[in-house]
Amino acid sequence: QKEVEQNSGPLSVPEGAIASLNCTYSDRVSQSFFWYRQYSGKSPELIMSIYSNGDKEDGRFTAQLNKASQYVSLLIRDSQPSDSATYLCAVRPFQKLVFGTGTRLLVSP
Amino acid sequence: GAVVSQHPSRVICKSGTSVKIECRSLDFQATTMFWYRQFPKKSLMLMATSNEGSKATYEQGVEKDKFLINHASLTLSTLTVTSAHPEDSSFYICSARPRGQYNEQFFGPGTRLTVL
Repeated sequence: QKEVEQNSGPLSVPEGAIASLNCTYSDRVSQSFFWYRQYSGKSPELIMSIYSNGDKEDGRFTAQLNKASQYVSLLIRDSQPSDSATYLCAVRPFQKLVFGTGTRLLVSP
Repeated sequence: GAVVSQHPSRVICKSGTSVKIECRSLDFQATTMFWYRQFPKKSLMLMATSNEGSKATYEQGVEKDKFLINHASLTLSTLTVTSAHPEDSSFYICSARPRGQYNEQFFGPGTRLTVL
């Protein structure tokens, strides 16, 4: 089993819709969880971090964490074409980040 | 704040040559820097973790004699790909963790290496 699993997609949503991205992880000791956005040919950009169970909102983004289910998700409200990118889930059990393979999101105008 | 730069952004070299990539934290001191490699349509794979003033810790399967890492100061880490071969062609990305912080790390813009 991979340490961090994501559906590779692509996930296609129309402009203005809610995009829901999911991630599961295997290491129960993980305490820090991150969502990064990566445009093609660019390096990852941190968009959300979450450390405790529940929801965390920042603008159009909401991260959700359920440690019991080892599940973390990212909701993007009012999706825009500029949100089209690959979204990487990252988990940190100890010092280093472990990345998922990413979900490609396509937002159509 | 929290800007990380990498140089060069793109390099093309002949097989057998060595290439040095610099990673700098521009507005903060970084006690820990990380080097990642990313192949097309794949996720980031951690190559090594470097702490200022000490030897880098390499991930399993990464050749330390091929990928030389030096973290000589709190703002600079270098990765040297020695005797590069076409299979080393990849996108190399560094990240830096600010001094005194545990959760945050900031990524550089990446270096695209092409070995002919």
